Amino acid sequence: AQTVTQSQPEMSVQEAETVTLSCTYDTSESDYYLFWYKQPPSRQMILVIRQEAYKQQNATENRFSVNFQKAAKSFSLKISDSQLGDAAMYFCAYRTTIYNNDMRFGAGTRLTVKP
Amino acid sequence: DAGITQSPRHKVTETGTPVTLRCHQTENHRYMYWYRQDPGHGLRLIHYSYGVKDTDKGEVSDGYSVSRSKTEDFLLTLESATSSQTSVYFCATSGPSSYNEQFFGPGTRLTVL
Repeated sequence: AQTVTQSQPEMSVQEAETVTLSCTYDTSESDYYLFWYKQPPSRQMILVIRQEAYKQQNATENRFSVNFQKAAKSFSLKISDSQLGDAAMYFCAYRTTIYNNDMRFGAGTRLTVKP
Repeated sequence: DAGITQSPRHKVTETGTPVTLRCHQTENHRYMYWYRQDPGHGLRLIHYSYGVKDTDKGEVSDGYSVSRSKTEDFLLTLESATSSQTSVYFCATSGPSSYNEQFFGPGTRLTVL
């Protein structure tokens, strides 16, 4: 079964600085999807960014970008110009293209933003 | 947002009592999921549904059952709640393709005393 590992339980960043959250995964599949979800204190799960494994170009969404290294099975999230509103739990998730049930989540990284 | 609501939002119950959590969606999404979130584990899939009356087990299904009699409603039942089922429960939906993201409800915090 696919597993997703987030090795940083907690991270902190100064406001306006850049931070990178790490994620690695284990799979034998060649095609799949990767996601980063944000969970603020409200508990709502919010999609931050998505990457299709067949695309070599790294996804970007405004201040959020990913570094997708398929061979290394690594999918890190970079947040530029960090804002106080970025403080949240961040979950990395893997989804197979074969079955629609199978989304696996990492344990999460709690990001603190210092003013 | 995919228009997903969960009820109740908070519940405290006692060991051995039955509990039913409801998920309601307005997007006509085919796929629906129940997850539990626990510290250090992220979200883990309990059960999912790929259509009306079509359900299957996920990673942590023991002690839980589900039903889906209408496209918009997906129920999660704890037949006899235990303290180990104290958790935050999320419902999610997704569209017809596996590349679709999953949309999440606001969660239900369940405490079993």
